[in-house]
Amino acid sequence: EAGVTQSPTHLIKTRGQQATLRCSPISGHTSVYWYQQALGLGLQFLLWYDEGEERNRGNFPPRFSGRQFPNYSSELNVNALELEDSALYLCASSLTANYGYTFGSGTRLTVV
Amino acid sequence: GQNIDQPTEMTATEGAIVQINCTYQTSGFNGLFWYQQHAGEAPTFLSYNVLDGLEEKGRFSSFLSRSKGYSYLLLKELQMKDSASYLCAVRDKNDYKLSFGAGTTVTVRA
Repeated sequence: EAGVTQSPTHLIKTRGQQATLRCSPISGHTSVYWYQQALGLGLQFLLWYDEGEERNRGNFPPRFSGRQFPNYSSELNVNALELEDSALYLCASSLTANYGYTFGSGTRLTVV
Repeated sequence: GQNIDQPTEMTATEGAIVQINCTYQTSGFNGLFWYQQHAGEAPTFLSYNVLDGLEEKGRFSSFLSRSKGYSYLLLKELQMKDSASYLCAVRDKNDYKLSFGAGTTVTVRA
């Protein structure tokens, strides 16, 4: 069984640009979660999608957005990039909201 | 929301035992998870507690006391490969999201 896959592995953007990160959950998993892990910090909850709907979002500005497609894959978009957006972005999926998460390997976003 | 505290760093010797404590405050508890994260890699699931008591899984055990808002992860017979960050996470019963502590970096020395 394929795990959670994320692309790209690394992304370098200039301040002010937009970044798009992609995530494919484990087959059969309908819930997708996005987390930000800045250097030396814990995982900060960004967004939760389930059955194509945004169910919850963390304390991040509106320039962090995303969506979930009919096949349950998901995109995270970050607009107007700032230097402090540099972090590891982790996607996780679960069978339902009441199960534990399986994480992908992450996308390392660097804003210069 | 949740407030989750765990020590920043711990060091132990190969073959020894280390206990990582986690305390939490939550408005609605629905389970506590422990994850292991090696540097530059994704977190991997270690254990899950929703009822009070001890859950044992090989060299790793996890304990939960809901009344005290307290959990610990016990790592026995430490191996060099156990050097990693260990993340305590609490699930909220209202929105099901996992809130993570900042992680405990465990260094195993020969």
